[in-house]
Amino acid sequence: SQQGEEDPQALSIQEGENATMNCSYKTSINNLQWYRQNSGRGLVHLILIRSNEREKHSGRLRVTLDTSKKSSSLLITASRAADTASYFCATGFQGAQKLVFGQGTRLTINP
Amino acid sequence: SQTIHQWPATLVQPVGSPLSLECTVEGTSNPNLYWYRQAAGRGLQLLFYSVGIGQISSEVPQNLSASRPQDRQFILSSKKLLLSDSGFYLCAWKALTGAINEQFFGPGTRLTVL
Repeated sequence: SQQGEEDPQALSIQEGENATMNCSYKTSINNLQWYRQNSGRGLVHLILIRSNEREKHSGRLRVTLDTSKKSSSLLITASRAADTASYFCATGFQGAQKLVFGQGTRLTINP
Repeated sequence: SQTIHQWPATLVQPVGSPLSLECTVEGTSNPNLYWYRQAAGRGLQLLFYSVGIGQISSEVPQNLSASRPQDRQFILSSKKLLLSDSGFYLCAWKALTGAINEQFFGPGTRLTVL
């Protein structure tokens, strides 16, 4: 069964605006990862945050993790048309060899 | 650097025909290997994963099977395809050891069963 659920399912904003996507999960995790998928392509890893971390930055990306609420958010600042893609969260577990992916958020950046 | 290949890129097959999708990884040893399926506009469903040659874990019972004949080769097969097998198939690898947990994905195979 799916562990992570992204919200919203779809998001459309103007270029230059910030985009925020949320991910909720059900059970305790070791880490949470965000991936991007351009249409018809494979997924690309963006950022990983461990369960003992609360916030992480990478360029225009900011990820937060609230383990008490079992939720994470991905913020993309100053969005660009090239950010148009689907974004997935994936949860990893201690000692487990697999990730569980959510259903994704489809982000559209309008020029 | 590491690279991952999948072929074919697209495939159209009739119902009842066999299937063989191949995934190979270069530039790493002893990787974990994964097969996912993605329905249109949906998330990823883990089908199989392997932590070593000949070791296959199945996540979803179905008419698909996987094999790992070599360290960096992962094959997804079916004896008889169903309409419901249509989808986008993604192979991924992860380093077996160490603190790195992210997975690296191939370009995918789009399978249409008619």
